[in-house]
Formats: sequence, C-alpha cells, structure tokens
Amino acid sequence: GAGVSQSPRYKVAKRGQDVALRCDPISGHVSLFWYQQALGQGPEFLTYFQNEAQLDKSGLPSDRFFAERPEGSVSTLKIQRTQQEDSAVYLCASSSYPGGETQYFGPGTRLLVL
Amino acid sequence: KQEVTQIPAALSVPEGENLVLNCSFTDSAIYNLQWFRQDPGKGLTSLLLIQSSQREQTSGRLNASLDKSSGRSTLYIAASQPGDSATYLCAVKDAGNMLTFGGGTRLMVKP
Repeated sequence: GAGVSQSPRYKVAKRGQDVALRCDPISGHVSLFWYQQALGQGPEFLTYFQNEAQLDKSGLPSDRFFAERPEGSVSTLKIQRTQQEDSAVYLCASSSYPGGETQYFGPGTRLLVL
Repeated sequence: KQEVTQIPAALSVPEGENLVLNCSFTDSAIYNLQWFRQDPGKGLTSLLLIQSSQREQTSGRLNASLDKSSGRSTLYIAASQPGDSATYLCAVKDAGNMLTFGGGTRLMVKP
C-alpha cells in the first residue's frame, strides 16, 4: 500500500468496554511498532513485532493491553476493560527490515474513554 | 533508561525568523537521532535522520546537528514560514529498535 493505515481513526468507548485497534503496515515491512501518545506528550513505545513474533512488549502499561500480528502483516492492539487513563492516540509504525533506519507512521487512532 | 528532553515546549515567532529547537538525551549509546514533524490529527513525518557517526544533516531550510558525546541535537529552521507551524519531535534509536521520543516543541509561525 501507499503507507501505513490505521482503523478506526476515532473511537469513543465507555469505561470498562473492550476495544480493538487495527494497523495495516506498508506491504512487505518486517518490523511493526505500536506507540501511545497522550495529549501534549511525545509518543511512548508499547510493543514491537518482527514478522509474527512479538520481540518486545516492555512498554505495555498493564495486562489489559494485548497485541498480536498472527500472519506477520496486519496487527491488532486490544485493550480490555478500558479506563479513562487509556485515552490517547495510538500510533502504529513499520519499517522494512529489523533495525531499519526509518519507521513510517500511520495517522493514529484517537481513543477517548468516557 | 533513555530519556529525551526538548526545549522549549512551545515557541511563537514572526514569519521570516531563523529559529533553533533543542533536544537532549541521557544515554549517548544511540544508533541514530531523528527529527519528526507532527501536524494536528496526523501521523509523524520524518524530516531528518542523523546517524551516530554523523555530525549534521541538511534538507532545504532545515539543518540538524548531533553532538553524541554531550547528548545534544539541534534543529535549525531558516526563514520560517507559517506552513512550518507544527509540533516537532526528536527521537533516538538505540539497540532495542524502538524510538524514544522527547515531549515535542509546538511551533507557531505568525504571518
């Protein structure tokens, strides 16, 4: 594809609901990253995939956060029992090879938990 | 743990001014440093990438420098224009592959 795409672009959830955020990386890109960006802050790393393998999940803030990339392409970030502090923009990025210099970012999903 | 700081947090200048954005990082063992631009509601656009062995990179009116030993980078924007208004983010890449970002500088260039 032309770039990294994410869906939905906006999501409003009631506290306690589960949400699923989708990322379609650039075709053929091996590495995929998820970042969380709170309002007025810089993005913070959540997790990293190389193909289907989740190599680093040290940034996931709690066990309510779960990410998968079962076929090494599309990835889903799932948040269970959402809380107000989960409100943020969730950014996905991909790069062409492990350690690739440039990460290409999607437009993000803006999550608001009421 | 790597920490990245950007100063100032916000900046408002009249059109035409030259300006400097600052970035500092605590661990000098980086692979590269990257400057991004973020427009409201949009993703990040890479502006310049400096390898750890390099001192600076230039693209058009933008020039980024890197002093790895002191943990500092600057982004110089010449002859600023209203279209330069955005948030500028500095990020470093280390052995873990992920990027560590600063908090950003929100730039407003007034016509």
